Parts: sequence; structure tokens; C-alpha cells
Amino acid sequence: AQSVTQLGSHVSVSEGALVLLRCNYSSSVPPYLFWYVQYPNQGLQLLLKYTTGATLVKGINGFEAEFKKSETSFHLTKPSAHMSDAAEYFCAVSEGDDKIIFGKGTRLHILP
Amino acid sequence: EAQVTQNPRYLITVTGKKLTVTCSQNMNHEYMSWYRQDPGLGLRQIYYSMNVEVTDKGDVPEGYKVSRKEKRNFPLILESPSPNQTSLYFCASSLYPRQGGETQYFGPGTRLLVL
Repeated sequence: AQSVTQLGSHVSVSEGALVLLRCNYSSSVPPYLFWYVQYPNQGLQLLLKYTTGATLVKGINGFEAEFKKSETSFHLTKPSAHMSDAAEYFCAVSEGDDKIIFGKGTRLHILP
Repeated sequence: EAQVTQNPRYLITVTGKKLTVTCSQNMNHEYMSWYRQDPGLGLRQIYYSMNVEVTDKGDVPEGYKVSRKEKRNFPLILESPSPNQTSLYFCASSLYPRQGGETQYFGPGTRLLVL
């Protein structure tokens, strides 16, 4: 069965600094991997996803993530944090069936 | 505009009083799902539906019911709410997931308080 672990329930970075949110997964088959973002008082929206092909995936708002099979990771990065990036981020994994598993979320705080 | 709508957005009720949270999508999606979000626990799936008249339990189905009589609607029913069902609830929809890697579209959430 698939599972997702997000390291750090809270991450703080300074405005302009690198954002790195960590996600490790376990899956018995090649996974589909997602990052969703939840802004305050809103539902989740897709940031980016990996299905097949290129392992470096670019998403909205300057975010990207790299699928590393050998490390079973799908970390989310952004070179320069902006105040508007403050939100909760969820990593999720699917094995292409009717099941998608979400991580517990990482709340990103941006320091001025 | 493509969207998932939920009603109500906020609800305060008392233990044992039946309630229904509605969910509707206008994207002709086959798959619909209900999640609850609790601090430190992330999103947990309650029920999902692959198509009309097809529903299945997720990870935390106890105390909830659903129905899928129409493709666009997927109401969540709490027959006898209890305080441990106080939570933030999200409805989501997507294309049929067996295509692989389908994006889920989420509603704005319903915040429920059961006294």
C-alpha cells in the first residue's frame, strides 16, 4: 500500500530564500505524485504533478519538484520565497487506481 | 467557470441532529470524494464514488453516509453527528482515476462544529 511522509509540519524561510519541502513516499508500483497547496480559508489546488516522463516537474508560481526513484522522494522547491507563498502544502501519492493518499501537510511560513 | 461547490460553508449543530452537506461539480467528472481535514492528521478520505450509484468507503467512513444519484452531486450525510466529527470537510472531483494521475479539484470546504 502506498504512503506519504512529509518531514516537518512547519517550515519557516525568509523572504527571498530557498524553499524546500520534503516528501518521501512508498509505493509498490511506479507512483503518480502530486503537490497540492492550500491557502488560508480555501480548498486545495494542484501545484504540480508527476505522472511519467521527465523527472523534474515544473508547476505554478515558480515551484518545481524532482521525482527521485532511488530515494523515493518528491521534494518541492522554489528558488526565492515570496510572502504570498505562505500556505499549507500537501504531498500525495497514487498508484493509478481509485486511491490517493495525502501526507499530513507542511505549513510554510515566510519571514519578512 | 469549472468548480466544485459545497454548502453550507460553516455549520454549527448539536449531537444527534441529522445534517447533510451538499457537493456539486460542473466538470462532468466521474470520480468524487469526501475528505476530512484535522490538525496534524492531514486529509483523510471518508467516502468516494467512481460513478453514479457506485460508492465505496475510504479510510474513515464510520458515522457518515453518501449517495450518488446524479453525476454532478455527491452529498455527505451525518445521520447522528457526534463531537468527534467536528472538522473541516472537503469535497473533490476528478476524471475517472484509472487513467492515472488525475488532478483532483477541491471545493472550498465546510467547517462543521458539533456541540
